[in-house]
Amino acid sequence: DAGVTQSPTHLIKTRGQHVTLRCSPISGHKSVSWYQQVLGQGPQFIFQYYEKEERGRGNFPDRFSARQFPNYSSELNVNALLLGDSALYLCASSLEGQGTYEQYFGPGTRLTVT
Amino acid sequence: AQSVTQLGSHVSVSEGALVLLRCNYSSSVPPYLFWYVQYPNQGLQLLLKYTSAATLVKGINGFEAEFKKSETSFHLTKPSAHMSDAAEYFCAVSGSNNFNKFYFGSGTKLNVKP
Repeated sequence: DAGVTQSPTHLIKTRGQHVTLRCSPISGHKSVSWYQQVLGQGPQFIFQYYEKEERGRGNFPDRFSARQFPNYSSELNVNALLLGDSALYLCASSLEGQGTYEQYFGPGTRLTVT
Repeated sequence: AQSVTQLGSHVSVSEGALVLLRCNYSSSVPPYLFWYVQYPNQGLQLLLKYTSAATLVKGINGFEAEFKKSETSFHLTKPSAHMSDAAEYFCAVSGSNNFNKFYFGSGTKLNVKP
């Protein structure tokens, strides 16, 4: 079975631009979470979606938004990019949304904002 | 609220030596605990998880961790380090059955010397 896939792999954007990152979960997984990993730090939770509904949101500004589609894939959108948004964005899927279920991570999208 | 502290951002061991990576957590509810490994330019791979069953958890690649409630710890160990174990290790906690997010520690980079 294919694991979690993310696209694109790398992305370079300019301050003020908008970006859309995409994630396809493992087949059968209903929950998708997004994390931001700044260099040298652990992943920070951004969003969790389960059955197309937002179930959790981390401490990120409204410039960050996401959605989950009927096929359980997900998009993360970031508007008005700042230099500080440069990071590895990780998508994780799990079978269900509860905290007992391990999350399986994709390879990430490396976003560089110049 | 949940949080994770990983003591030691860098740990260096010789090949064949014991690996001990420390993780302490705080949680207002019974915790679910996870260890992930991240190789350079890759996503996170699950090593093992604790979800209130046996306190000694065995994972992949010879790693294991012991949940100690009295010490609020979940340290990761491996009896004999291998060169291929060199990577960054993250401890994570989630709090409940109700769509809770994962909180990650800041990570410990393991270096294995020949």
